[in-house]
Amino acid sequence: QVQLQESGPGLVKPSETLSLTCAVSGYSISSGYYWGWIRQPPGKGLEWIGSIYHSGSTYYNPSLKSRVTISVDTSKNHFSLKLSSVTAADTAVYYCARHWGGGSGRLDYWGQGTLVTVSS
Amino acid sequence: DIQMTQSPSSLSASVGDRVTITCQASQDISNYLNWYQQKPGKAPKLLIYDASNLETGVPSRFSGSGSGTDFTFTISSLQPEDIATYYCQPYDNPIFTFGPGTKVHIK
Repeated sequence: QVQLQESGPGLVKPSETLSLTCAVSGYSISSGYYWGWIRQPPGKGLEWIGSIYHSGSTYYNPSLKSRVTISVDTSKNHFSLKLSSVTAADTAVYYCARHWGGGSGRLDYWGQGTLVTVSS
Repeated sequence: DIQMTQSPSSLSASVGDRVTITCQASQDISNYLNWYQQKPGKAPKLLIYDASNLETGVPSRFSGSGSGTDFTFTISSLQPEDIATYYCQPYDNPIFTFGPGTKVHIK
């Protein structure tokens, strides 16, 4: 059974960099699929942040592209998110997920999510 | 970017009712659309992929249809455990967007 688990600080100061890691178990990242980050501000809808293929190719939401870096470490079977220059608007539950590259790109496995609050 | 219009934004129905949610895309997306269920405090769960395919393990009362720009999600007989927010998600490879969601309540 594929499982994903987000980890990282729950509190980040404004202007600093948010860093999260998603540990994958039950499937080897290097075997394929895409791996993505999605966030959800409190009480609001879902926003795709970006995705990475096991080869390292990355794809970012144009609205966040200048601040986002997603990387993968196949030896540790995890992938990571860095979001720079955060503001209160970046406060959200951050989810990692696996998705297909073809067809509808369905997101078939999700982590439980981790709340990140941006505050001084 | 693909814009999605999802309606209604919320609905209230009785147990056993048929519930229908629609999503309209701003451009032709073929069948590249998925539907998710999100319960409070939980991650979204994939229910329908490629517009009409039921994800493994999902009850058959859930279904989807449509192609091009107009899509429909149906719960044939609403159950108490279906109380959730439902999102459509189009895919314009490699860009994801999500519809604004439909919150389903029990009347």
